[in-house]
Amino acid sequence: DAKTTQPPSMDCAEGRAANLPCNHSTISGNEYVYWYRQIHSQGPQYIIHGLKNNETNEMASLIITEDRKSSTLILPHATLRDTAVYYCIVRVEGSARQLTFGSGTQLTVLP
Amino acid sequence: DAGVTQSPTHLIKTRGQQVTLRCSPKSGHDTVSWYQQALGQGPQFIFQYYEEEERQRGNFPDRFSGHQFPNYSSELNVNALLLGDSALYLCASSLYEREKTQYFGPGTRLLVL
Repeated sequence: DAKTTQPPSMDCAEGRAANLPCNHSTISGNEYVYWYRQIHSQGPQYIIHGLKNNETNEMASLIITEDRKSSTLILPHATLRDTAVYYCIVRVEGSARQLTFGSGTQLTVLP
Repeated sequence: DAGVTQSPTHLIKTRGQQVTLRCSPKSGHDTVSWYQQALGQGPQFIFQYYEEEERQRGNFPDRFSGHQFPNYSSELNVNALLLGDSALYLCASSLYEREKTQYFGPGTRLLVL
């Protein structure tokens, strides 16, 4: 699975959009970009994943660049409960392979 | 629809002891993966069970073993506990053949003294 690079920490004001970047320059054509988050001492929570088109669900939007070498997770209206570590993971969908977590980005939403 | 459940939530053991952790997958899922998360680090893959067999294994010693039952629930066993085994142990469930993503349980916090 391709390696990802994320900033170690970010702050965001409550009510504003949080934009979390991820670089994955060695991504292969059949690898998806997955985002999980982990609120302190809880299990990771799946957020969203995509291949090359932008994706949106009730939690977030995922923007993948045309060359697929980077992506951005967008939380449109961040709340205090969005404070968590956000993990960007690249892997093949449907392969039943393990998730390889990096260090993630600690997002702190400020009141 | 029940999500992934794990038991116990917390556990304290001493060095050299053995421990068994349990996981029930999300309803409809047939695959269970186990992860270890040390303090301040991301989860690390231990192994995965499907059809009652270990299908994949991460870089963990043989002291870590597992089992999957016919109802798809799973156990993680750790023998000869070391202080370094203190961690949050996470279970994730998925569908082996049509896996889109994995869903995690709340974890079991193990402290080895």
